[in-house]
Amino acid sequence: EAGVAQSPRYKIIEKRQSVAFWCNPISGHATLYWYQQILGQGPKLLIQFQNNGVVDDSQLPKDRFSAERLKGVDSTLKIQPAKLEDSAVYLCASSKVTSGVPRLSTDTQYFGPGTRLTVL
Amino acid sequence: AQSVTQLDSHVSVSEGTPVLLRCNYSSSYSPSLFWYVQHPNKGLQLLLKYTSAATLVKGINGFEAEFKKSETSFHLTKPSAHMSDAAEYFCVVIPPANFGNEKLTFGTGTRLTIIP
Repeated sequence: EAGVAQSPRYKIIEKRQSVAFWCNPISGHATLYWYQQILGQGPKLLIQFQNNGVVDDSQLPKDRFSAERLKGVDSTLKIQPAKLEDSAVYLCASSKVTSGVPRLSTDTQYFGPGTRLTVL
Repeated sequence: AQSVTQLDSHVSVSEGTPVLLRCNYSSSYSPSLFWYVQHPNKGLQLLLKYTSAATLVKGINGFEAEFKKSETSFHLTKPSAHMSDAAEYFCVVIPPANFGNEKLTFGTGTRLTIIP
């Protein structure tokens, strides 16, 4: 079974530029997550999708970050314009609903390798 | 609100010796607790999870963890370290499903180094 794919793996941009990350979840996984992992910290959830609908985007800085999952499969996360503090690894994860409704305690999240963003 | 504290940012052990990675949680309810491992340039992988069943949980690669409510701890252990165990380990807490707003709350991580 193929894992969660992310691209690019590395990206270097200057502040105020825009950048986009792509994620392809495991086939059949309805739930998709984007996390931000700043150096020295644990990952922090940015947004959660269930199929193509947003379940939780309470921690997404909506003035500069946007995400979409138009067909309920692939997803893109965009930052425009980027700030120095956006330097981080952006992780995508997906999970399969196993009990009718999404439950983090039972639906294992599978993570991609991440995209390391450096903002200069 | 829930949180986890990983008491050591870095642990070094010799190959073949026991591993102990400490995690304490803060919660006003009975949470689910996970341990994830992150190898360099690889995605996070679930090691084991506690979801209110048996308090001693066995995971992959010989790791296990014990949920101790009285101590609000969920320490990760392994009897004998292997070179391939070198990685970053994250303790994670999740509130009960009926509390709503489920999300994984990660600790700050413990980097495990194995000395040959």
